[in-house]
Amino acid sequence: DGGITQSPKYLFRKEGQNVTLSCEQNLNHDAMYWYRQDPGQGLRLIYYSQIVNDFQKGDIAEGYSVSREKKESFPLTVTSAQKNPTAFYLCASSIGGGYGYTFGSGTRLTVV
Amino acid sequence: DQQVKQNSPSLSVQEGRISILNCDYTNSMFDYFLWYKKYPAEGPTFLISISSIKDKNEDGRFTVFLNKSAKHLSLHIVPSQPGDSAVYFCAASARISGTYKYIFGTGTRLKVLA
Repeated sequence: DGGITQSPKYLFRKEGQNVTLSCEQNLNHDAMYWYRQDPGQGLRLIYYSQIVNDFQKGDIAEGYSVSREKKESFPLTVTSAQKNPTAFYLCASSIGGGYGYTFGSGTRLTVV
Repeated sequence: DQQVKQNSPSLSVQEGRISILNCDYTNSMFDYFLWYKKYPAEGPTFLISISSIKDKNEDGRFTVFLNKSAKHLSLHIVPSQPGDSAVYFCAASARISGTYKYIFGTGTRLKVLA
């Protein structure tokens, strides 16, 4: 079955640590995206990538980094510079237009 | 500046009745509008979309209406079922520098009462 796989589902991070969230898709979509969901704030775009080895900052990119070495993979690193990283993170891919996104099942990151 | 707004954070409807979820937007360059449904701790799932050149799209119990002059769209669910209880996000898409970007509203939590 085609889809997007995010791992892990739950992740705990200590203060000052970097953590990497995995996102893999087998839909052959060119575009991939990372969103963050906080209560009452909807979905906010962190980074997106249209093609391999290219990515763009979204609205809230500070404290995050990404890579796109393969079409199927778009990992997100939450760095220690991100001041409020506790949130639900969603990865998505798309062929655009009215087809919208296909989302992964999300990763809940908690800073302890 | 919130380009896509869902002004009602929550809505309760009796089972079997119609649910109407509303969304307003500000950018007339959006070319598609979409609705997503989200359960807690899961990714959103695509429900229905509408092109900016249409004013209605229907899929089973779900109908989306687009009023371009008012920059308003709505999702109608008829009849509402308890399994429809979820958070609903509207989204609008625009093609910027060759990439589709989707801008989401803040969501409306629908509760269908049995």
